[in-house]
Amino acid sequence: SQQGEEDPQALSIQEGENATMNCSYKTSINNLQWYRQNSGRGLVHLILIRSNEREKHSGRLRVTLDTSKKSSSLLITASRAADTASYFCATPDRGSTLGRLYFGRGTQLTVWP
Amino acid sequence: GAGVSQSPSNKVTEKGKDVELRCDPISGHTALYWYRQSLGQGLEFLIYFQGNSAPDKSGLPSDRFSAERTGGSVSTLTIQRTQQEDSAVYLCASSLVGVRVGANVLTFGAGSRLTVL
Repeated sequence: SQQGEEDPQALSIQEGENATMNCSYKTSINNLQWYRQNSGRGLVHLILIRSNEREKHSGRLRVTLDTSKKSSSLLITASRAADTASYFCATPDRGSTLGRLYFGRGTQLTVWP
Repeated sequence: GAGVSQSPSNKVTEKGKDVELRCDPISGHTALYWYRQSLGQGLEFLIYFQGNSAPDKSGLPSDRFSAERTGGSVSTLTIQRTQQEDSAVYLCASSLVGVRVGANVLTFGAGSRLTVL
């Protein structure tokens, strides 16, 4: 399976702290994406990093990609209660730009006020 | 439309009944996807459409599941003779797929929650 796996499964922190989530995958990819899902809602795209990039920033989000280790991390800085959600990494079919995305089981992040 | 619209948002049915779930993608999005999410689980891929054709339907769990897309727009996922294990949230997503885009970013609907009693 090419499915990415997020780690940890659950993360609980206080507001203001940083949250780091990791994703490992199995096959070569040309990009990796992170999505967020609030309870009872659909997924929302957060950020995409391409295989030739090592780090990317978007607001309070920082994503890294290590293709040699087949892993990625998502860092949320200065977390807020509103960041409470599940976070998923997604990878495309092997070497493909099109077709399905593979999602992991997600990391459930809880940020306490 | 402005976003991906799914209906119904909630469906409760009895075991053995057929159900139809509808997805209205973003206008102009050529690709449409169906995923299933069971409680506390990740997303399970079901089927993907490019235009009206389905290049990848390998995720459909059984022949009770079928999907179609007409006019390159609305899609319907049909589950025949529903079973309790079909209970899940069915998520639809669409994307503007193409070499020029360079990556496949999905926009999801809010999902249809199916409960089979």
